[in-house]
Amino acid sequence: GAVVSQHPSWVICKSGTSVKIECRSLDFQATTMFWYRQFPKQSLMLMATSNEGSKATYEQGVEKDKFLINHASLTLSTLTVTSAHPEDSSFYICSAAQTGSEKLFFGSGTQLSVL
Amino acid sequence: KQEVTQIPAALSVPEGENLVLNCSFTDSAIYNLQWFRQDPGKGLTSLLLIQSSQREQTSGRLNASLDKSSGRSTLYIAASQPGDSATYLCAVNYGQNFVFGPGTRLSVLP
Repeated sequence: GAVVSQHPSWVICKSGTSVKIECRSLDFQATTMFWYRQFPKQSLMLMATSNEGSKATYEQGVEKDKFLINHASLTLSTLTVTSAHPEDSSFYICSAAQTGSEKLFFGSGTQLSVL
Repeated sequence: KQEVTQIPAALSVPEGENLVLNCSFTDSAIYNLQWFRQDPGKGLTSLLLIQSSQREQTSGRLNASLDKSSGRSTLYIAASQPGDSATYLCAVNYGQNFVFGPGTRLSVLP
């Protein structure tokens, strides 16, 4: 079956640094990828929609200058949390939509802890 | 191995019917369980979140139940509408990882 690889699975960083999270579709092309985050005891919420070769679409309340999304190829999207703060500590997960299909495949998630 | 299954895989009903979607999970040591809907070409929309200590949650025409001991959750949709047509996913949160079900594709016919 289709596999989405998300890396790293967990990361600890100091406040003020930037963290990059990668989402790769290993055996299929994904024109569209989605980024979500979940704070403790809250629902998984969509942050942004990443489209290959164009700018990402951000959900209301998500700062596009803080959460930089790059989808430079049909198999890779990256989320960079810039100038991370402790309140950015959360679980981030990506999903990829196989081109031509409605089915979503999910990465295993990244637990970010900002000290 | 932590697995999540959903039954049925697809469902087509006339408008106005009440319906039940089922989700089963093999590992009952869950942190919480969430139901989502996915519209074609869109990301997930969160519908309901049930913590492991809860038995049900309600939001409008939606009601989700959780029976941890039997490894089951159901999503009940009352008075279905054509706008409810979408794929419904359940996701089990084990604390450090999510396991998603394959989804139920729902079509509500006018």
